Amino acid sequence: DAGITQSPRHKVTETGTPVTLRCHQTENHRYMYWYRQDPGHGLRLIHYSYGVKDTDKGEVSDGYSVSRSKTEDFLLTLESATSSQTSVYFCAISETSGLIFMGYTFGSGTRLTVV
Amino acid sequence: SQQGEEDPQALSIQEGENATMNCSYKTSINNLQWYRQNSGRGLVHLILIRSNEREKHSGRLRVTLDTSKKSSSLLITASRAADTASYFCAIGAGSYQLTFGKGTKLSVIP
Repeated sequence: DAGITQSPRHKVTETGTPVTLRCHQTENHRYMYWYRQDPGHGLRLIHYSYGVKDTDKGEVSDGYSVSRSKTEDFLLTLESATSSQTSVYFCAISETSGLIFMGYTFGSGTRLTVV
Repeated sequence: SQQGEEDPQALSIQEGENATMNCSYKTSINNLQWYRQNSGRGLVHLILIRSNEREKHSGRLRVTLDTSKKSSSLLITASRAADTASYFCAIGAGSYQLTFGKGTKLSVIP
């Protein structure tokens, strides 16, 4: 399994403040993803990355930006947090066998509360 | 977007019984995957079935895929209290990206 860690695990922040969540992996996986999980919505893709400095938007990208300056780190930034961004955020990496997609490995999640 | 829909939303069974949950989708797929999530944790990959496969087994798990009906089912045999979790199907329609359904919440009563 890929070593994948998210930080922080929990955060409470005030409306209007910037927030950055970090996802760190140790096994050189090319693809990384940020999802948010909300009751009644399941998991929704925010942004993903397919390499250093290569990122693209997902289904719910408004209000979020990402950066990937090195393979192991994928950062998610809420430029100005709003209460609607209160959620549990999951990072994931794509496991492959050669070029064959095998599935995702998820981090443990970050519970973000915007007050 | 290509999202799977799980059915039922919630399922409660006695320990030792079998649990079946279903996933339906709308367009063509490359693969379909099932994940488990214990309360407060990240999702864990259970099993992947490719579009040219009809059935796969892994321990007490059995997954079927019917591409003509655009549906899949996950069967957990001889359930245990430790199987209590939410189960998600995920659709792989291309590249290395997945779209998740809203999940089935399974409760196994000891």
